[in-house]
Amino acid sequence: GAGVSQTPSNKVTEKGKYVELRCDPISGHTALYWYRQSLGQGPEFLIYFQGTGAADDSGLPNDRFFAVRPEGSVSTLKIQRTERGDSAVYLCASSLTGGNEKLFFGSGTQLSVL
Amino acid sequence: AQSVTQLGSHVSVSEGALVLLRCNYSSSVPPYLFWYVQYPNQGLQLLLKYTSAATLVKGINGFEAEFKKSETSFHLTKPSAHMSDAAEYFCAVSPYGGATNKLIFGTGTLLAVQP
Repeated sequence: GAGVSQTPSNKVTEKGKYVELRCDPISGHTALYWYRQSLGQGPEFLIYFQGTGAADDSGLPNDRFFAVRPEGSVSTLKIQRTERGDSAVYLCASSLTGGNEKLFFGSGTQLSVL
Repeated sequence: AQSVTQLGSHVSVSEGALVLLRCNYSSSVPPYLFWYVQYPNQGLQLLLKYTSAATLVKGINGFEAEFKKSETSFHLTKPSAHMSDAAEYFCAVSPYGGATNKLIFGTGTLLAVQP
């Protein structure tokens, strides 16, 4: 596609529910990142994929958060037993390969946990 | 630990005036530094990056930033503000040099441009 696509753009859920957030990176980009942006804050790193494998998941806050990228393209961020504190904009970004090449961000998914 | 501090969460300038957005960094290794811009309802876009080459870095839309090691600063400037520059600006540092795009972002500065 022309850019990084994230769906849904908005997700409202109830405390305790399970949610999945999807990211379609730019075609051919091997590196994929998830960030989380809370209100009034800058983006915070969650996880980095190189191909199908998670190269760095040190930013995942706890074991309720999990992400996959089974075929090296689309990625899904999964959050179990959601809490109100999980409410934030979840950003996905991709770059052609690893390293500090230009990072392309999607518009994000606004997650609201009621 | 690496970090960035952006001074001023809100900055307002008049159209045609100088834009100066401040960023100070803390890094135990030679830093890679970035400025990103976020327009309303759009994803973050890279404005410019410093990767230990020239200390004065030119970016898109007439923005530039100067790396000053002695001041641990990487301030963003533009000589003449345009209405279309109104957006939120984020400074970021890479704790791994050029190894990955795992970035540590500042809290952002919202730039308003008055007519």
